[in-house]
Amino acid sequence: QVQLVESGGDMVPPGRSLRLSCAASGFTFDSFALHWVRQAPGKGLEWVSVISYDAKIKSYADSVRGRFSISRDDSKNTLFLQMNSLKVDDTAVYYCARDRRGSGAFGELDFWGQGTLVSVSS
Amino acid sequence: SSELTQEPAMSVALGQTVRVTCQGASLRSYYASWYQQKPGQAPVLVVYGKNSRPSEIPDRFSGSSSGNTASLTITGAQAEDEADYYCNSRDSSDNVIFGGGTKLTVL
Repeated sequence: QVQLVESGGDMVPPGRSLRLSCAASGFTFDSFALHWVRQAPGKGLEWVSVISYDAKIKSYADSVRGRFSISRDDSKNTLFLQMNSLKVDDTAVYYCARDRRGSGAFGELDFWGQGTLVSVSS
Repeated sequence: SSELTQEPAMSVALGQTVRVTCQGASLRSYYASWYQQKPGQAPVLVVYGKNSRPSEIPDRFSGSSSGNTASLTITGAQAEDEADYYCNSRDSSDNVIFGGGTKLTVL
């Protein structure tokens, strides 16, 4: 069965960096686009980033563009999110999610991980 | 970019029908997807495309769209349908956007 397991969340002060990972199994990893979606405590879902199946398309929310970088390692079935210059407002549970399509353009997210908590505080 | 607007909260009597809506300019061009999220759990896709459901989602969940409004209809709401519901789609910048969510209470 499809599984997505996030890791790498931590409590860090503002300005630091973190790298999140999402280990995937149960499907042909290099056929699907993958997204990161976050949820601040008590708030709604916020889309963060997407990478297409072939890594040729990467897109970011305005709130993270220039600070976050998405990548994938198809040999290890793993998705990454490099988060630099972290801000207090980046505090959230970060979910990785599989897109039904290879391009990821429509955000039809059919499988989600359980999330990893990133807390940015001084 | 653009926004997707949802009612913050709604309620439905057990066994009755409820329609959760999502409004936004991008919905004139693109379908919305709908997600159910229960406390402490990850979101679950319930409806996508014109009106498609993952195989494990009960057929009491359906989707529709008209103009700038997408709707998720639950026909015969059950106690276990009490949850937060989010719509998403793509915006004019070809990014993905989420609505603010609707907290559904089943009475």
